[in-house]
Amino acid sequence: DVKVTQSSRYLVKRTGEKVFLECVQDMDHENMFWYRQDPGLGLRLIYFSYDVKMKEKGDIPEGYSVSREKKERFSLILESASTNQTSMYLCASSLIAYEQYFGPGTRLTVT
Amino acid sequence: KQEVTQIPAALSVPEGENLVLNCSFTDSAIYNLQWFRQDPGKGLTSLLLIQSSQREQTSGRLNASLDKSSGRSTLYIAASQPGDSATYLCAVRGSNYQLIWGAGTKLIIKP
Repeated sequence: DVKVTQSSRYLVKRTGEKVFLECVQDMDHENMFWYRQDPGLGLRLIYFSYDVKMKEKGDIPEGYSVSREKKERFSLILESASTNQTSMYLCASSLIAYEQYFGPGTRLTVT
Repeated sequence: KQEVTQIPAALSVPEGENLVLNCSFTDSAIYNLQWFRQDPGKGLTSLLLIQSSQREQTSGRLNASLDKSSGRSTLYIAASQPGDSATYLCAVRGSNYQLIWGAGTKLIIKP
């Protein structure tokens, strides 16, 4: 079975802190994705990566950056956390053109 | 621009009923369509993936159909159970790596 893991299920950070969310997949997938999910807004794509060191902006990249140094790991970085970045963050991976598999999510609260 | 709509937003039915969830999309030029399930506070679980060349996919009590020409997909759940209670999301993939998401249907199966 495909396994996508995320470093934390729950995280509480203060405004202005630098936050790292990590995602690891064990199926040698080329593509990895970071989404955020908010009530009433659904899933929105922040960034995705189609290969090591390659990244593309999604719909809402502002305030975020990403890093993919190894194929299995995709990190989302909040350079200076703000309260409007309080959300559920979901990581996913896939082979090209195939189904996406999701991690359990990280619920981030910024106070 | 592709838009994905799921109607109804919420559905409550007695246990044992067969039911249909709907997903419509505005641009028929899709690569595939995927149905997901999400339990409260959790990540997404992939249920079924239908490639653009396929008409339907089945997994256990679930059957998903795809009609590209009319921009519609349905998820049929047979003999519903309380454990089927969840939010069901559909997403379509176009010519890039991104999925376009519906807002979901929240399903409640009453014992």
